[in-house]
This record gives sequence, C-alpha cells and structure tokens, in this order.
Amino acid sequence: GQQLNQSPQSMFIQEGEDVSMNCTSSSIFNTWLWYKQEPGEGPVLLIALYKAGELTSNGRLTAQFGITRKDSFLNISASIPSDVGIYFCAITSGSRLTFGEGTQLTVNP
Amino acid sequence: SQTIHQWPATLVQPVGSPLSLECTVEGTSNPNLYWYRQAAGRGLQLLFYSVGIGQISSEVPQNLSASRPQDRQFILSSKKLLLSDSGFYLCAWGRRGSYGYTFGSGTRLTVV
Repeated sequence: GQQLNQSPQSMFIQEGEDVSMNCTSSSIFNTWLWYKQEPGEGPVLLIALYKAGELTSNGRLTAQFGITRKDSFLNISASIPSDVGIYFCAITSGSRLTFGEGTQLTVNP
Repeated sequence: SQTIHQWPATLVQPVGSPLSLECTVEGTSNPNLYWYRQAAGRGLQLLFYSVGIGQISSEVPQNLSASRPQDRQFILSSKKLLLSDSGFYLCAWGRRGSYGYTFGSGTRLTVV
C-alpha cells in the first residue's frame, strides 16, 4: 500500500510559536487531508486539499498541496495550549484512507 | 445531522476470550464504514472497510474479523483475543465519492 512519510515525529514548542510539519510520498495523489487527534478521541478533519498548489486556511492553520502532488504541508501560527495533539496527514485511494505516522505536538504555556 | 456511535469506550479482556465491538451511524444511508487500530497513540492502521451490507474488505490478515449485518452497523469481532490485539480501535464512516471520514470516539482494548 501507499506509504506516507510524515515529519517531524514530535515537536515541543512554547506557546505563541509557529509550527510547521510535512508529509511526503513517492506516489502522486489527488487529495491530501490533515487530521488532528486529541488524547482519547478519534481524529477530526482539519483541512482537505484537492488541487496541486492549493493553499487553504482554517483559522490559525494553513495547509498546502504540493505542486508535485507528492507532498503537503501544515502550518500552525501562534500556537496555544489547546493545539496539543497528534496531527496526521492522509490520502485517499479508492475507498480507503491511508494515514501518515503522525506528528505529536506539545505546547508549553 | 450525522452521528457515529462506538462502544464500549474501554474494555479489558483476558487472552483467549471473544471480542465484539459495535459501531453504528445515524443520519445517513449507504455509508462506507471502516475499522482502524491505533497502537501506542501513533499511526492508524486500516483493518477492514465495507462499501455495503455484507461486503467486507480486509486489509491486514490477523486474528480479527468484521461484519456488516445492516446498512449502518459495523461489527469488529474475534473468537480468541491475543495480547497483541490490545490497542485503540476506531470506527469511521465516509460518504461515497467524497473525502474526509468522520471517526467515532474509539474503544480502548486491553488484553490481559
């Protein structure tokens, strides 16, 4: 199956800092998704990207669909404590959704 | 609006015992349904998915099975649990032709 390489694996930042994480693949995809999972909960969709080069924002979150269609980036500006969680990139293939390994984000107040 | 229910929230089972986790979706019809497992709070592994009643696709051969007896009901089962079956099990649904699944709140299974 498809393999997504997500980095960094974990991040420890101070409140107010900006965060950047990315996801790459050796294959081309038509859709990139970003999810956030809080402790003990299921993942929640943050942003969906449908077009190469597309830049989409959701509040303080901004995600980009790489022009090569093999990567995607998620940025969080001015982080706050409630940004804590695991962020996953994901791609769709047929009826299946495949996830990256996740980036564990810790925000220190 | 659509909702997804998953239960129980936590479960502790002895090795060799059977398992049945249930997931139901409300407010939609003909959903695609999925079971994922997450170990140690990291990557989500797709176990099974279903595009219709009685249609089950298995992604990873293992000690588990899935069934879809009704359109909006998805069940994950095992006849005899192994220690390695411990993990966080997540059910999800998605609309055909669209992206972005909605996940349930998960079941934390501990096999002892």
